[in-house]
Amino acid sequence: GAVVSQHPSRVICKSGTSVKIECRSLDFQATTMFWYRQFPKKSLMLMATSNEGSKATYEQGVEKDKFLINHASLTLSTLTVTSAHPEDSSFYICSARGERGHTGELFFGEGSRLTVL
Amino acid sequence: AQSVAQPEDQVNVAEGNPLTVKCTYSVSGNPYLFWYVQYPNRGLQFLLKYITGDNLVKGSYGFEAEFNKSQTSFHLKKPSALVSDSALYFCAVRDRGGSTLGRLYFGRGTQLTVWP
Repeated sequence: GAVVSQHPSRVICKSGTSVKIECRSLDFQATTMFWYRQFPKKSLMLMATSNEGSKATYEQGVEKDKFLINHASLTLSTLTVTSAHPEDSSFYICSARGERGHTGELFFGEGSRLTVL
Repeated sequence: AQSVAQPEDQVNVAEGNPLTVKCTYSVSGNPYLFWYVQYPNRGLQFLLKYITGDNLVKGSYGFEAEFNKSQTSFHLKKPSALVSDSALYFCAVRDRGGSTLGRLYFGRGTQLTVWP
């Protein structure tokens, strides 16, 4: 099946620094990628929808200046957590749709565990 | 708005017994429904989907789900549980239109524990 790779899988940073997480579709072109945040009690929250070559669409309540999303190519989307604080510590997961149209399943990356000290 | 509900936080079954993980949905129009599984500190893996056609959908690892329109349910089932099935299971419904075409709305997840 299609593979989505996320890097890094784990990152620890100091408060106030910025962290970039990469999401790559390895064997298909992904015109749309999605970024999710998973909280400790397991619920998945959609943060934004990333379309190649255009600005990301953010969900209500998600700070676009805090969570910068770039989808520069059909195989790469990046999430940058700017000026990270301990409350940004979480598990971030990206996903990509493997085919055009809206009936295909999404393929998920392995997630990135961010810990802000 | 699209939404799914997973009424159980936790399901415990003995190995070899049948298992059911419940999901109900609320959508406008015909639903696209999905089940995903997540192992600790991992991403989500696709199990199965319902788009149209047969109400009984067969998926990966011996799982199946039954779409029931009258009860607005899409319960995940497996005839004989394995210890290795222990994981977190998410039901999801697909957004069918708009600028964010294809985004998934997830239930809160159900932790399945299968004991030997």
